[in-house]
Order: sequence, then structure tokens, then C-alpha cells
Amino acid sequence: AIQMTQSPSSLSASVGDRVTITCRASQDITSDLGWYQQKPGRAPKLLIYSASNLQSGVPSRFSGSGSGTDFSLTISGLQPEDSATYYCLQDCNYPYTFGQGTKLEIK
Amino acid sequence: QVQLVESGGDVVQPGRSLRLSCAASGFSFSTHAMHWVRQAPGKGLEWVAVISYKGNNEYFADSVKGRFTISRDNSKNTLYLQMNSLRAEDTAIYYCAKDRVNFGIGEFDCWGQGILVTVAS
Repeated sequence: AIQMTQSPSSLSASVGDRVTITCRASQDITSDLGWYQQKPGRAPKLLIYSASNLQSGVPSRFSGSGSGTDFSLTISGLQPEDSATYYCLQDCNYPYTFGQGTKLEIK
Repeated sequence: QVQLVESGGDVVQPGRSLRLSCAASGFSFSTHAMHWVRQAPGKGLEWVAVISYKGNNEYFADSVKGRFTISRDNSKNTLYLQMNSLRAEDTAIYYCAKDRVNFGIGEFDCWGQGILVTVAS
């Protein structure tokens, strides 16, 4: 199975900051990567699909980049409501695999 | 609007079986692959299984292969997960999720609210 290594596991940032979360795949997954946001007690929400495409309804401060094995999610201009755990997901090969998650705290 | 509602969660003993259902509405169920994803208490997300839009292709996580089956009834807009030989490590919230792409398989863009399955003696 493809391993997804996500970093950092947690981070703390202030409102207005720019933060970046990275995911590295254990093999080439082209652009078959999505990013999800999950708030406590809620189902995850798709933010980015195919590595860099913004899902409808998601604020433009979220962006994704990368291809092959290295990917990143950037949040520009952090808002208090961005406090959540973020996961990457590879959908290139079965079994699909998630990164271990990044817990983002807003100071 | 898209709605996915899971049901069937329960507390079951190890080795027993349970079937989850997911009722879908608000989209063309028969043209979208469907997934199950789970989350153990306090842990990350784990993809469990997928079934193609026609129901003729299925794939599973290694952790459930041979014990779980996935099926769908497109006439009832309902997805199922049959879980056999349950283990304590299957304890989790189970989410059904809709594939983003018509007639394909990719990421999931809509999720149910989740249903808790607890495996304990």
C-alpha cells in the first residue's frame, strides 16, 4: 500500500498567518491527491481535489500544489474557523490511504 | 442537496456480524461510486471500501478484506457494508461517502454524519 507521510502532526498559528501542510507519498501518485478538513465531532470536508483544484464553496485562501510524491496545502490568511485537523488522501491506487493528520490550532 | 444517512450501528461482541446502511438522496446515486471510511476513537481516518456505480467492482482495505463486503441497491439509493467476524479494532465511526466524479472513482466530496460501531464483550 502507498504510505502517505504528513507533516507537521500539529501546528499553532495566528489569525492572518500563512501556513503550509505537506504530504509525501511513498511512490508516484501523479496528481491523485485530495485534502480534507475535519472539525471535532463532524464529518470531514473536501477542500482540494486532484492536488490543486479548489472544491466548490471552499474559500480561496485554501490552495493545493504538487505532483508525483510531494504535495502541500496552504492556507493564506488564517481565520479562527480554520482550526481543525487536516488530512491528505491518495486516490491513485487501492487501497486508498490517508495521511496521519495535522491538527491546526489558532492562537 | 446531497444527503447521506448511515444506520445500523450498534454494540456487538467480537466475532459477530453487523450490517450498516447508507441512504442517499439529492444526487444521482446510480452514477456515483460510493465509499466507506472509518475513524477509530481519537484516531485518524481509514478508508475501508469502495463500490463502483454499477456495483460490479469493489475494493477493500487489507484490514477488512475477507471479512467485510460492500454492496448497493441502486433502485433504493442505498449503500451497505456487511461486517463479519468483527474485532475490537473495528470499533470506529463509519462514514459513507459519495465519489466526486460521475461514472468514475476518485475522491469523496460528500460524507454522511457517521455511525458508531462498538465491538466489545
